[in-house]
Amino acid sequence: QKEVEQNSGPLSVPEGAIASLNCTYSDRGSQSFFWYRQYSGKSPELIMFIYSNGDKEDGRFTAQLNKASQYVSLLIRDSQPSDSATYLCAVSNSGNTPLVFGKGTRLSVIA
Amino acid sequence: DAGVTQSPTHLIKTRGQQVTLRCSPKSGHDTVSWYQQALGQGPQFIFQYYEEEERQRGNFPDRFSGHQFPNYSSELNVNALLLGDSALYLCASSLGGQLDPGDEQYFGPGTRLTVT
Repeated sequence: QKEVEQNSGPLSVPEGAIASLNCTYSDRGSQSFFWYRQYSGKSPELIMFIYSNGDKEDGRFTAQLNKASQYVSLLIRDSQPSDSATYLCAVSNSGNTPLVFGKGTRLSVIA
Repeated sequence: DAGVTQSPTHLIKTRGQQVTLRCSPKSGHDTVSWYQQALGQGPQFIFQYYEEEERQRGNFPDRFSGHQFPNYSSELNVNALLLGDSALYLCASSLGGQLDPGDEQYFGPGTRLTVT
């Protein structure tokens, strides 16, 4: 059974701080790793994907992947109240295989 | 460029009834995947359709069935509804021939199903 684990939170950070979200996965065959943001009552929105070990930066977001440790993280710099949402980590074996999601981490950015 | 659309937005059904949800993929996409997201949980994969065939299936009972039409749109049917079927049903579209890691699946806005 492929599993993706996330701390459910809530994770509370002050405005302007760095939010750090973590995810571990069980399937060593996983090749693609995604972070989705989901506002309450809305569908998931892709923020970033990563498939090579190391860091990938996109604006205020940095995804980090360590395949040896089966660990993925998302850093949000200069957090804003509008970043308050649930962040879902998802993994897949290749481009069109099913996404396996974690339960999500609820982030609250306090103004 | 139209994104993924789903209908209806909300639906209320009674236990034992049947329901059909619809999805139109993003323009140019030919693959549709369906996910169920219960409250407080991450989405769970139901099945995927490509070239009008069910290509992959998750751990869901046969009460869940689907169809894909020649224009790539898709339906999800659920028979004999249970209270536990209450959830947000998400449709995601992608290109069937993609094998590159990182090629994303685009999610629609979802259908909120409530079973009473």
